[in-house]
This record gives sequence, C-alpha cells and structure tokens, in this order.
Amino acid sequence: EVQLVESGGGLVQPGGSLRLSCAASGFTFSSYEMNWVRQAPGKGLEWVSYISSSGSTIYYADSVKGRFTISRDNAKNSLYLQMNSLRAEDTAVYYCARDLTGLGELSLGYWGQGTLVTVSS
Amino acid sequence: QSALTQPPSASGSPGQSVTISCTGTSSDVGGYNYVSWYQQHPGKAPKLMIYEVSKRPSGVPDRFSGSKSGNTASLTVSGLQAEDEADYYCSSYAGSNTPYVFGTGTKVTVL
Repeated sequence: EVQLVESGGGLVQPGGSLRLSCAASGFTFSSYEMNWVRQAPGKGLEWVSYISSSGSTIYYADSVKGRFTISRDNAKNSLYLQMNSLRAEDTAVYYCARDLTGLGELSLGYWGQGTLVTVSS
Repeated sequence: QSALTQPPSASGSPGQSVTISCTGTSSDVGGYNYVSWYQQHPGKAPKLMIYEVSKRPSGVPDRFSGSKSGNTASLTVSGLQAEDEADYYCSSYAGSNTPYVFGTGTKVTVL
C-alpha cells in the first residue's frame, strides 16, 4: 500500500525557516516523480514544487521561487521542502503527492495527509 | 500561471447529474490532454477522480466522467449520491516548467 506521511509543520515567525519531510513507503520511491502542493485555510489547491525521480529536474511555482528548495533522498525514501523567508501567505496545509503510475500521465494519484504550516508573529 | 476558472458552486438532487466546467487557455487545458480532476472532502486530502481528460483510476465509480472541448474541460457526476458532496478541483499541465496548475475549485452540494 502506498503511504506518504508528511511531518515538520508548525508555527514559525515571518522571515523564519522550516523544513518539511515526506516519508514514502509501499512503492519504489526512486522510480517516481514527486510534488508538493499546498492549500491555504479555506482556499484552493496550489502546486508548489516538482522533483524528478533522480532529483535532476526541479520546478517551482513563481510564488515560492528563490525561497523554497525541494530535494529528495532516494536511499531514505524521503522527500523534503526547505522553506526560507516565510511569509504570512505561506500559511497552508502542505501535501506531498506522487503521480499515479510513474508513466508520465501528470496526475497526482497518491497524497499524504498534509502538515500545517502557520506563519505568524 | 493563473488558476483555471471553475464555478464556485454546483448542485443537484440525488440521482441527478451535475457538470462542472474548468476553463483555461491554449497554454494549458487547450494545449494538452493532461487534465485531471480531484475530489476533496472537508479535512481530507484530495483524491484523484479523472486523469488524462477522461480516464478513471481503479476504484473510481463510472458515474464520474470527464471531457474536453477547446480550452474548457468538464467533469460530470451522474446518479448523484450523498457521498459525492465535496469540493472538486481540476488541474492541467501548463508547459515544461509548470506541471500542474489547479482550478479555483467547485463546491458540489447534493440537495
């Protein structure tokens, strides 16, 4: 069974940093592209970042470019999101998500339960 | 990249059908057959319902169907059931640097 478990969320002051983790199990992690998607309270979904299976290709949404860094450790079956220079508008539930089959269908078939990041003084 | 446009709400009685639209541009919805639909119940993670415009993942009832015409994609839920009441989001590929752009979301109410 595919499982994605996020951790690392919490309360942080504006300008601060936080590192999110996503522990993957139930599949060959190194074979799949991964993404972070966030959802502000009461708002819609927003794609944040993508990383290829090897980690060699990375994309970011304009809203986080230059402040967030996605990475992965295939030996540890883990995905990370380093978030720096946090702003109030970064407050959201952050989900890690995997594509459905790994065959490039560009659909997020598996999601974690999310971790809440609150940026406030 | 701007969010895709969805109606804020839609509703139908049990057994009826409801269709949700998702409007983008030729740079996203109209340019690729990588439109997906997600269902989200309150406090839960999104669930993939449709991918590649009209394909259903294993386990998704065939009451859910997708289509696309030009820059607008649509999700139809036939034979509405109480458990279909949820928020629905579309997404599309929008070019090599933007694998996903989401819609604004539609709240479906079963009357």
